[in-house]
Amino acid sequence: SQQGEEDPQALSIQEGENATMNCSYKTSINNLQWYRQNSGRGLVHLILIRSNEREKHSGRLRVTLDTSKKSSSLLITASRAADTASYFCATDPRGGSYIPTFGRGTSLIVHP
Amino acid sequence: EAEVAQSPRYKITEKSQAVAFWCDPISGHATLYWYRQILGQGPELLVQFQDESVVDDSQLPKDRFSAERLKGVDSTLKIQPAELGDSAMYLCASRIVAQSNEQFFGPGTRLTVL
Repeated sequence: SQQGEEDPQALSIQEGENATMNCSYKTSINNLQWYRQNSGRGLVHLILIRSNEREKHSGRLRVTLDTSKKSSSLLITASRAADTASYFCATDPRGGSYIPTFGRGTSLIVHP
Repeated sequence: EAEVAQSPRYKITEKSQAVAFWCDPISGHATLYWYRQILGQGPELLVQFQDESVVDDSQLPKDRFSAERLKGVDSTLKIQPAELGDSAMYLCASRIVAQSNEQFFGPGTRLTVL
């Protein structure tokens, strides 16, 4: 079973708008990562946020983490057509063998 | 910039045949993962290596799948015999050490079983 679950499953917006996607997980984590995957390609790491962090920025990306709600959000500001991709969250669970688990992803389409 | 290499990029095979995928992680990365990704879903971990040792292979269908990383560097994932349901993208990823930072993914191998 997949620990992280992204929401929404699909998102369609116009260029210039902001895109927000959410990730929920079930167990305590050490960190949470967001990845982007263009169609038919490998995943590209976007940002990592540790369990003791609440917010992190990287360029047009803003990630928040709420460990009390076991959720994270990824905000892409001023979206571009090139942001069209699937976005996945992955968690490194605390304890055990630290097996990273991915959600099903959010498919983002940005219309030019 | 160092990258994870995978080959082949595409593989078409008939069911009951054997297939093998190769992965060369970024130099110095002790942790290596093989994932399977079915279209429309997220990557599902098949096996995790720490150096040459298997850390977790609980999701690997061991009756037909095998994975090795003999010298703790590159790795091979084999399927024998292939079944129709094995059609998927097989992704390799590496990390300096488990849990320390991000995973770096290769481009994947797209397997089609006919």
